[in-house]
Amino acid sequence: SAVISQKPSRDICQRGTSLTIQCQVDSQVTMMFWYRQQPGQSLTLIATANQGSEATYESGFVIDKFPISRPNLTFSTLTVSNMSPEDSSIYLCSVTGTGTEKLFFGSGTQLSVL
Amino acid sequence: GQQVMQIPQYQHVQEGEDFTTYCNSSTTLSNIQWYKQRPGGHPVFLIQLVKSGEVKKQKRLTFQFGEAKKNSSLHITATQTTDVGTYFCARGSQGNLIFGKGTKLSVKP
Repeated sequence: SAVISQKPSRDICQRGTSLTIQCQVDSQVTMMFWYRQQPGQSLTLIATANQGSEATYESGFVIDKFPISRPNLTFSTLTVSNMSPEDSSIYLCSVTGTGTEKLFFGSGTQLSVL
Repeated sequence: GQQVMQIPQYQHVQEGEDFTTYCNSSTTLSNIQWYKQRPGGHPVFLIQLVKSGEVKKQKRLTFQFGEAKKNSSLHITATQTTDVGTYFCARGSQGNLIFGKGTKLSVKP
């Protein structure tokens, strides 16, 4: 299993500002994943963060809006830029277990944009 | 990627009753995963099914993968209040998963 620390756990932000979410894993992992869960909805993959290369974004998500850093094999950040109320969601960092397909999730960041 | 359809969206049961959620795909799945998300919590992996017709049990939970690998189900026998939460199925691999919309289970004591 993997232990994932994510912060902040929640934040309330003003429209037009940016928030950076941090994700720390207790072991080295090749890929880290950022998911979004809109209120009462399912999870949607935003992007895959690979160490040493640019993140790979899913359809509907762009780097200018959700820049991602991956400076090493245990850490990643996701920034939600120029926020609007539509960005109010839970953002979840996740990794796959070693040799398995199962996803381990961080506790999430609940973002509210006013 | 292809969506996975999950039904029902909500299920309210009396404690002790059984519960089933279904996951359907229009295309053949290489595998299906199931997750549980407690209220206010994050999704937690329950199981992965890979083989056609596979059945796996975890205590009161029974997971099935259809013969055609296009559908799956999660059945809970004699629900308890600790079973409350949203159950998601998901398809995909290597961390790139497509989740169903989930079935939110509430259990009345």
